[in-house]
Amino acid sequence: GNSVTQMEGPVTLSEEAFLTINCTYTATGYPSLFWYVQYPGEGLQLLLKATKADDKGSNKGFEATYRKETTSFHLEKGSVQVSDSAVYFCALRGLYNQGGKLIFGQGTELSVKP
Amino acid sequence: GAVVSQHPSWVICKSGTSVKIECRSLDFQATTMFWYRQFPKQSLMLMATSNEGSKATYEQGVEKDKFLINHASLTLSTLTVTSAHPEDSSFYICSVRSWGGVTNTGELFFGEGSRLTVL
Repeated sequence: GNSVTQMEGPVTLSEEAFLTINCTYTATGYPSLFWYVQYPGEGLQLLLKATKADDKGSNKGFEATYRKETTSFHLEKGSVQVSDSAVYFCALRGLYNQGGKLIFGQGTELSVKP
Repeated sequence: GAVVSQHPSWVICKSGTSVKIECRSLDFQATTMFWYRQFPKQSLMLMATSNEGSKATYEQGVEKDKFLINHASLTLSTLTVTSAHPEDSSFYICSVRSWGGVTNTGELFFGEGSRLTVL
C-alpha cells in the first residue's frame, strides 16, 4: 500500500541555517504530494504541494520538488527563522484520489534557535 | 481565520464514559470530512471518512462501535468515543475537503485538534 517516510526529528538549527527534511514515498502510479506544517497548539496547515513529476511546490521560502525517479519530495529552505519552529508532515494522496484521503509521514519536529 | 473548528480542544474524562468531539466547517459546506488520530511523536492515522447523510467509512482496524461518527449536516461531523479507556487517550483531528469539482482535488483543511485524556 501507499506509505510515506520522513527523516526522524527533532531537527535543531540555528537561525539562518539551511534546512532539509527528507521525505520518500511508496505508491502506485503518480500520487499528489504535500507538505503540511503544524505550529504549536494549532491545526495542520498546507505548506506546499506538487501534483506531478518534476513539479516544484513553494511557499514562504520553503520548496520541494516531486522526484519520481527517487520517489522523494524533500523539503528545503535556504534560511530558517525562529518562527519556522513547528512539526512538518509529508503526505501523499494516491492515484484517483482515493476519496481524498491523505497518507502522512510520521512528522519531523523542527526547532530553530536564535 | 479558521476554516475548520473543533470542540472541545481538550477533554479529560473517566474510564468508561463517552466523549463527543465536534468538527465544524465554517467557510463551506462539506459532504466529506475525515477523522484522524495522532499519537505523540507519531503520524496522523486516518480513522474514518465521514459522509454527510450516510454511514461513515472506517479504515481497517478501527472499531466502528467504539468510534461513532455522525455527519448529520453539511457543516458538522461528530466523533463519539464510547466507553473510553486510557488507551484511547490521543489527539483527534478532523479535516474538511473543499469542493474540487469532479476530480475531487479540493484542498484539505484541518481543525485544531482535540486532545482526549482518559483517566
